[in-house]
Amino acid sequence: TQLLEQSPQFLSIQEGENLTVYCNSSSVFSSLQWYRQEPGEGPVLLVTVVTGGEVKKLKRLTFQFGDARKDSSLHITAAQPGDTGLYLCAGVRATDSWGKFQFGAGTQVVVTP
Amino acid sequence: NAGVTQTPKFRVLKTGQSMTLLCAQDMNHEYMYWYRQDPGMGLRLIHYSVGEGTTAKGEVPDGYNVSRLKKQNFLLGLESAAPSQTSVYFCASSSAGTGYGYTFGSGTRLTVV
Repeated sequence: TQLLEQSPQFLSIQEGENLTVYCNSSSVFSSLQWYRQEPGEGPVLLVTVVTGGEVKKLKRLTFQFGDARKDSSLHITAAQPGDTGLYLCAGVRATDSWGKFQFGAGTQVVVTP
Repeated sequence: NAGVTQTPKFRVLKTGQSMTLLCAQDMNHEYMYWYRQDPGMGLRLIHYSVGEGTTAKGEVPDGYNVSRLKKQNFLLGLESAAPSQTSVYFCASSSAGTGYGYTFGSGTRLTVV
């Protein structure tokens, strides 16, 4: 069982549509991050959130950390083919040391023209 | 800017053979990590290091050993390869402290036959 559950596992949408990816846990996290991974490459950090209720925007991407710091969401507005990739959430539990990031299994997003 | 460099990129081993994966970073990061990525299971932490000369076990350490003799290098060894170790291996590094994300290498695809 994954500590961080991501949903959906797979998402296929048309260019211009909006999408939301969820990352949920029963544990409290001191920080949570989102990464995007393209085929044959390592994940690339998109954002870090550390405060409950925090909202961060990165161009068309909006990230939110839940008030209780147990969940997060990633919303993409007007998706483009360049947004295609595997989106991973990762976090450090409040009870763990800094080095122990836990990763979700990922959400594969495909945006077709 | 090289970031995190992993060698080799691909390798095929026979069951029982040994090998070492090399990870080098040029960002003066304190923390370094080895993960494996398998379909549907996300990234799982094998071993990590919080500084030169120190190592610690992660979630799935069995069958692997690591060494961090120099701050910039983190080596992952497979003592006697097994088919269950077929995976994509990622090295990552980060600065110490809350809120810093990982910088990942581009991965090593290992097949054990």
